[in-house]
Amino acid sequence: DGGITQSPKYLFRKEGQNVTLSCEQNLNHDAMYWYRQDPGQGLRLIYYSQIVNDFQKGDIAEGYSVSREKKESFPLTVTSAQKNPTAFYLCASSTDQVASYEQYFGPGTRLTVT
Amino acid sequence: GDSVTQMEGPVTLSEEAFLTINCTYTATGYPSLFWYVQYPGEGLQLLLKATKADDKGSNKGFEATYRKETTSFHLEKGSVQVSDSAVYFCALSDLQTGANNLFFGTGTRLTVIP
Repeated sequence: DGGITQSPKYLFRKEGQNVTLSCEQNLNHDAMYWYRQDPGQGLRLIYYSQIVNDFQKGDIAEGYSVSREKKESFPLTVTSAQKNPTAFYLCASSTDQVASYEQYFGPGTRLTVT
Repeated sequence: GDSVTQMEGPVTLSEEAFLTINCTYTATGYPSLFWYVQYPGEGLQLLLKATKADDKGSNKGFEATYRKETTSFHLEKGSVQVSDSAVYFCALSDLQTGANNLFFGTGTRLTVIP
């Protein structure tokens, strides 16, 4: 089955540690995205990548980093510089076709930093 | 800039009641409009979409019509079920601001009671 996988589902870290969240897709999509979701708020875009080896900052990129070495993979690193890292993180992908801009989402990773 | 405003929740309805969740938007170009649904602990799933004015998106008994004159995309369902309990997000993508990026509303939590 085609889809997006995120692992792990729950992640716990101590303050001051970097942590990397995994996102893999087998939909052959060109574009991938990372969002952060906080309680009672909509999704906020962290980073996005429209093609391999290229990515752009979203609205809240500070304290995060990404890489896009393969089309299928778009890992997100939450660095110790991120002041409030505890959140639900969602990865998404989309085709780059003109006719459709819907995004397909993974199941999410809930990160708790104490 | 582009933005989406949605009806604040939470919304609680009895089974078989009529549902409306309001969504209005601001966009610089000609956006595509989406409704996503998020079940507890999961990622987002596309519920329906409309890509041009007067289009009606529909799925699983839900409907929304793209109204350019009122810049709205209200979600409706004639008879809700307990299984419809979830958070609903209105979103837009705008060709003029980066077609692959979605702008989300804050979400509306729906609870349907038997």
